This record gives sequence, structure tokens and C-alpha cells, in this order.
Amino acid sequence: GAGVSQSPRYKVAKRGQDVALRCDPISGHVSLFWYQQALGQGPEFLTYFQNEAQLDKSGLPSDRFFAERPEGSVSTLKIQRTQQEDSAVYLCASSLEGTGSDIQYFGAGTRLSVL
Amino acid sequence: SQQGEEDPQALSIQEGENATMNCSYKTSINNLQWYRQNSGRGLVHLILIRSNEREKHSGRLRVTLDTSKKSSSLLITASRAADTASYFCATDGNTDKLIFGTGTRLQVFP
Repeated sequence: GAGVSQSPRYKVAKRGQDVALRCDPISGHVSLFWYQQALGQGPEFLTYFQNEAQLDKSGLPSDRFFAERPEGSVSTLKIQRTQQEDSAVYLCASSLEGTGSDIQYFGAGTRLSVL
Repeated sequence: SQQGEEDPQALSIQEGENATMNCSYKTSINNLQWYRQNSGRGLVHLILIRSNEREKHSGRLRVTLDTSKKSSSLLITASRAADTASYFCATDGNTDKLIFGTGTRLQVFP
């Protein structure tokens, strides 16, 4: 596709439910990043893939958060047993190579509300 | 936690005026980037400045970088209503990931 696509755009979950957020990066982009953005704050890094390898997951807040990119393209961020503090916008970005000097291209995000 | 802070947190100006935003960061970097985010949308890359550069221009944007002070500024000249957005600086911290600042919310009134 022309840009990074994320789905769903909005997700409402009851506390305790599992959710899965999808990211479809720009075709050919090696690296894929997930960020969490709380209201009024900047994005905070969650995890990063180069192709199918998860190179850094230091930002995942707990073991309830899990991300995968099995074929080196589409990625899924899964949150198990959602809590109210998980409410945020989840942003996905891709970059051509994935070094810190690369420009990252962002999707519009998934807004998760946990009730 | 976030790498740095931006100030001001919010800025309101009239069309045609210049807008200046400042960013401070904490660790050494290879480069610093500025991104814009319109309400409810993803981030859009504006400009990248490398650690060995002091100033860079792109259209109506001017970015400066002072690595000795660990700070950067973004100047938008002749602002337009369409420039209304949140602006974030992001550093690489000598890693492959970006660490974002807290952002400046810019409002440009017609």
C-alpha cells in the first residue's frame, strides 16, 4: 500500500478482554516499530522488528503485551487481560532500513479504550 | 520514560507570525528529527539534523542543534492555519529506536 495501515482505528474493550492490533507496513520496509501514546504525551517506544526478528522489546510495559511479525511484513500487537491503564493510542511505524538515522513512517494509530 | 522535554508546551500565534519550539534531550545522539502530528492522526516526518550539523533548512522550517547543550529548536516562518498541530522532537540516543519529547501544541489563528 501507499502508507502504513493500522486496524482497527478504534477499539473498545472491557477490562480483562484480550485485544489484537494490526499493522501493515509500507511494502519493502525492513523495520517496524510499535509505540504507545497517552493523551497529551509523545509516543513511547514499545518494541521493534527487523524483518521477522524482534530486536528490542524493552518498552513493553508488562508480559501482557506481546508482538509478532512472523513473515517479516504484517505485525500484530496483542494485549492480554486488558487494564484501564492500557487505554492509549497505539502507533505503528515502518522504515526502510531501521537505523536510528532512518525516517519512520507512521500509521494513523489504533485508539484503545478499556472500560 | 521520554527522552526530553519541549517548550513551550503550547503556543498560540496569528497567521504570518513565526513560531519557535525548543527541545532538550538527555543522552548523546547520532541525529535528531522533528515530527508533526495533526489531531487524531499519525506523525509525519519534517526534518532530520545530524549530530555534526548545526543548522538545517527545509522550506519554511529552520532547525538548529546544539549538542553541547543537548538542545534543538524548530522555527516555522510565516505560519499558516494549516500549521496547527503538535510538534515533537525525536532522538535516536545512539540506538535504532526513536525517543520522543513531550511535544509542543501549536495553534495558528487565521
